[in-house]
Amino acid sequence: GQQLNQSPQSMFIQEGEDVSMNCTSSSIFNTWLWYKQDPGEGPVLLIALYKAGELTSNGRLTAQFGITRKDSFLNISASIPSDVGIYFCAGPQTGANNLFFGTGTRLTVIP
Amino acid sequence: ETGVTQTPRHLVMGMTNKKSLKCEQHLGHNAMYWYKQSAKKPLELMFVYNFKEQTENNSVPSRFSPECPNSSHLFLHLHTLQPEDSALYLCASSQEDRAIFLGELFFGEGSRLTVL
Repeated sequence: GQQLNQSPQSMFIQEGEDVSMNCTSSSIFNTWLWYKQDPGEGPVLLIALYKAGELTSNGRLTAQFGITRKDSFLNISASIPSDVGIYFCAGPQTGANNLFFGTGTRLTVIP
Repeated sequence: ETGVTQTPRHLVMGMTNKKSLKCEQHLGHNAMYWYKQSAKKPLELMFVYNFKEQTENNSVPSRFSPECPNSSHLFLHLHTLQPEDSALYLCASSQEDRAIFLGELFFGEGSRLTVL
């Protein structure tokens, strides 16, 4: 199956710092999605990207759909303690109702 | 009420037990999913139901048996599980067009399963 690799695997940052993480694939995706999972909860959709090169913002979050369609980036500006959690990229499998998830980036924000 | 609710939140069972996980969505969606989340592994799709019909079975062992009686409810029946089946089982729903899968899933909080 298709594999989505996320980096970094984990990050420890100071409150107020900006955060960047990325997701790469060996296959092309036509849609990229970013989810966040809070401790003890299910993942929640943050941003959806549908076009190569697209840059989309949701509050302090900005995500980009890479031009090659094999990668995507998520940036968080001015981090706050509630940004703590695991961030997953995801992409739909062509022709099937299956969503491939990345390995996740675990974010810790130090107050 | 929250959009997707799962019960129980925690379950401990022996390998010879039979138990069920329940999922209910209050969003009016037409597709429901079971995912398995194990430590240090990506979320793995198990089953997909569209309009109550199973459309995906991702090579899941038969000791996991899904049931979708209507578009709002989804069950996962468990029997003779193995310790390696211990994981967080997540239910999700979405509103899907039959031609295009958007991947915008709404997840429940999960059922944490421990098999002894």
